[in-house]
Amino acid sequence: QKEVEQNSGPLSVPEGAIASLNCTYSDRGSQSFFWYRQYSGKSPELIMFIYSNGDKEDGRFTAQLNKASQYVSLLIRDSQPSDSATYLCAVYFGNEKLTFGTGTRLTIIP
Amino acid sequence: DADVTQTPRNRITKTGKRIMLECSQTKGHDRMYWYRQDPGLGLRLIYYSFDVKDINKGEISDGYSVSRQAQAKFSLSLESAIPNQTALYFCATSDRSGSRYNEQFFGPGTRLTVL
Repeated sequence: QKEVEQNSGPLSVPEGAIASLNCTYSDRGSQSFFWYRQYSGKSPELIMFIYSNGDKEDGRFTAQLNKASQYVSLLIRDSQPSDSATYLCAVYFGNEKLTFGTGTRLTIIP
Repeated sequence: DADVTQTPRNRITKTGKRIMLECSQTKGHDRMYWYRQDPGLGLRLIYYSFDVKDINKGEISDGYSVSRQAQAKFSLSLESAIPNQTALYFCATSDRSGSRYNEQFFGPGTRLTVL
């Protein structure tokens, strides 16, 4: 069974610090990886995707992928109160579907 | 206007009633999905469709049915609603041409309560 694991949190980070969110997955052959942000009661919105080993940066966000360790992470630099949300990791296992983790709730403390 | 819309946005119903949730999209995507979200359980796939003639069960399809009326429309039905179907329901779409990346775009959600 294809699985995606995340720590449910809550993860509390001071404003201005770096927030680090982690995700592990079960299939070494996984092809692409997504981070979605979801505010309470709202729909998920894509903030990053990555498919090659290494880092991918977009503004304050960096996604890091290590396929050998089956590990993908999201770093948020200069954390802002507006970053407080649940972050969902999703993995494309090549079976025409995305599999989502249960999400990590992040709280930025002013 | 939003690219993916869902109606109704909120619904309260009673056990045993038939309910239909509707999803429409203007993104021109071939693929459409229905998920439910429960606290602590994340997003779980109910049904998905890659075109009008292609319907597939997801991981939790029991108690649900779907209809793909057109490329842009995908409806989810609960034939006889039960309280444990109380959840937040999301429709999503994706584009076949980007299938390697499989980015999905979500509608605003329908909050369904079954009493």
